[in-house]
Amino acid sequence: DTGVSQDPRHKITKRGQNVTFRCDPISEHNRLYWYRQTLGQGPEFLTYFQNEAQLEKSRLLSDRFSAERPKGSFSTLEIQRTEQGDSAMYLCASSLVEYREGANTQYFGPGTRLTVL
Amino acid sequence: DAKTTQPPSMDCAEGRAANLPCNHSTISGNEYVYWYRQIHSQGPQYIIHGLKNNETNEMASLIITEDRKSSTLILPHATLRDTAVYYCIVRVNFGNEKLTFGTGTRLTIIP
Repeated sequence: DTGVSQDPRHKITKRGQNVTFRCDPISEHNRLYWYRQTLGQGPEFLTYFQNEAQLEKSRLLSDRFSAERPKGSFSTLEIQRTEQGDSAMYLCASSLVEYREGANTQYFGPGTRLTVL
Repeated sequence: DAKTTQPPSMDCAEGRAANLPCNHSTISGNEYVYWYRQIHSQGPQYIIHGLKNNETNEMASLIITEDRKSSTLILPHATLRDTAVYYCIVRVNFGNEKLTFGTGTRLTIIP
């Protein structure tokens, strides 16, 4: 158990519906990352936060996707008007940024598996 | 980040040492080698990382060649629970810290 939790673990929705996922990082971690993983592929980076600031977004994160981390603790990832191509595992990771050698390891949660019918 | 090359699959007998190779011939001087594994339908699990010295923890050992162009992850006594996809990743430790995953090595432990 890495300490990163995600909710829900599974979500089935119909095309066109909106969905929201939640990630709770390890409590003292100041960075939070979202990744997406499709079948047979490794995870792909979507976006990350330093505290409440969203510092980078991948081109994979279309306008239908939005992520927030309002108080620098938990984060939400919302997908609007879902499409079948959004079906994937959505993974959250967190890390503690420390400016010393060997720090900044990312720890992953169990993921949310989204199925869009 | 530099790219890595791993064999797509490997088998290892239960109880034997599993040696997983990774080639990272274009690694930069400030890039670390990280290893994660992913058991079916779970999130990736951190295993170990290193810069240039060999590293060991309770899960595995990491051997990095002197020129840092390749590394080997060693699971000393493989069990059935070690069956997973293993990812070798290189990344800087400060700045652009996102992980770039390849397709990894699917390790199957044979009873």
